[in-house]
Amino acid sequence: GEDVEQSLFLSVREGDSSVINCTYTDSSSTYLYWYKQEPGAGLQLLTYIFSNMDMKQDQRLTVLLNKKDKHLSLRIADTQTGDSAIYFCAEMNYGGSQGNLIFGKGTKLSVKP
Amino acid sequence: KAGVTQTPRYLIKTRGQQVTLSCSPISGHRSVSWYQQTPGQGLQFLFEYFSETQRNKGNFPGRFSGRQFSNSRSEMNVSTLELGDSALYLCASSLGIAEETQYFGPGTRLLVL
Repeated sequence: GEDVEQSLFLSVREGDSSVINCTYTDSSSTYLYWYKQEPGAGLQLLTYIFSNMDMKQDQRLTVLLNKKDKHLSLRIADTQTGDSAIYFCAEMNYGGSQGNLIFGKGTKLSVKP
Repeated sequence: KAGVTQTPRYLIKTRGQQVTLSCSPISGHRSVSWYQQTPGQGLQFLFEYFSETQRNKGNFPGRFSGRQFSNSRSEMNVSTLELGDSALYLCASSLGIAEETQYFGPGTRLLVL
């Protein structure tokens, strides 16, 4: 079945790198996404990676995709207190003619000064 | 440029009633997606519309339906409300399908009594 798993919590020190991991089950996934939700704020699409890519970098964010292990990670370099938020991983898979976006439960990132 | 607007922002209904929520995308955006967020189930994808056609769909019962108008505004309807439909309903808009940039509205918080 469709399932996306993430660890629930991650705590890092300001200035360190954060790595948030995600595993998914559906090998037919086409796009894999990372979203960010800050306390009291709305949801934000951070980035996505197409399933035929291994890596994508955007400023402090690096997304790594291991299709063989169905593992996705988000690395945040030089983590700041403003990065404290819940990060959701999601996969888009097409079982039929339409796609379904499946979310993980979210990883709460706490950044300590 | 105005952001994504959702109306109403808060709503209280009773079981068995129906509700219609509205989402106005950013001008020029043709894709609108809907999501449900609850403490128990987390984030779930409802559907995505593009050019008045439903392109992607999550695993929700037929009580949940949506539509998109020629001006890209979208509505979602929930019939025969259940207590479990109490949630924050988010919509997001983007220029097209699978865009890198997606903008979320503030959400409509629905309480079903």
